[in-house]
Amino acid sequence: AQSVAQPEDQVNVAEGNPLTVKCTYSVSGNPYLFWYVQYPNRGLQFLLKYITGDNLVKGSYGFEAEFNKSQTSFHLKKPSALVSDSALYFCAVRDMEYGNKLVFGAGTILRVKS
Amino acid sequence: DAGVTQSPTHLIKTRGQQVTLRCSPKSGHDTVSWYQQALGQGPQFIFQYYEEEERQRGNFPDRFSGHQFPNYSSELNVNALWLGDSALYLCASSQGTGTDTQYFGPGTRLTVL
Repeated sequence: AQSVAQPEDQVNVAEGNPLTVKCTYSVSGNPYLFWYVQYPNRGLQFLLKYITGDNLVKGSYGFEAEFNKSQTSFHLKKPSALVSDSALYFCAVRDMEYGNKLVFGAGTILRVKS
Repeated sequence: DAGVTQSPTHLIKTRGQQVTLRCSPKSGHDTVSWYQQALGQGPQFIFQYYEEEERQRGNFPDRFSGHQFPNYSSELNVNALWLGDSALYLCASSQGTGTDTQYFGPGTRLTVL
């Protein structure tokens, strides 16, 4: 079965510093990977996805993610964090063995302090 | 261009009752997926509707059922509610059942007392 793991429950970073939110995956076949962000009492907002092609994927709001096949990782990054980036971040993989449902990680809380 | 919309925003029910949640997909989308997000957890896939049929189903009991209408909107029904059904229910829409991105609505917060 396809799965993703987010090893950190929470990441703390100072405003203006680079941020990384980690995600590792386990899939059979080619991975289709996604990052979503959730603000309090809101639904999930799509940030970016990796289907194929360049290992560095650029997304919304200055976020990017690096796909690393050898390390089975898909870490979310941003060069300079904003206080407004504080939210809950989910990594997800499409379960191609079971149609196209998304399998989510447990989520990582990002706190950016001014 | 309206995104995915869901109603109601919040709902309070008692054990044993039945509930219906509604979802309208993003314009141009024909596929609707439903997810349950319990407090402190990632969303869990319930089922997906395409061409008015349930195409895939997650590990949820038959108390959870759904429907898709000709205009692609969808309903999620839950019968015989119990406390563990309290969660945020998310609807996501996409174009087809392939690799297209799923876009989520704001969710319906269900509380079962």
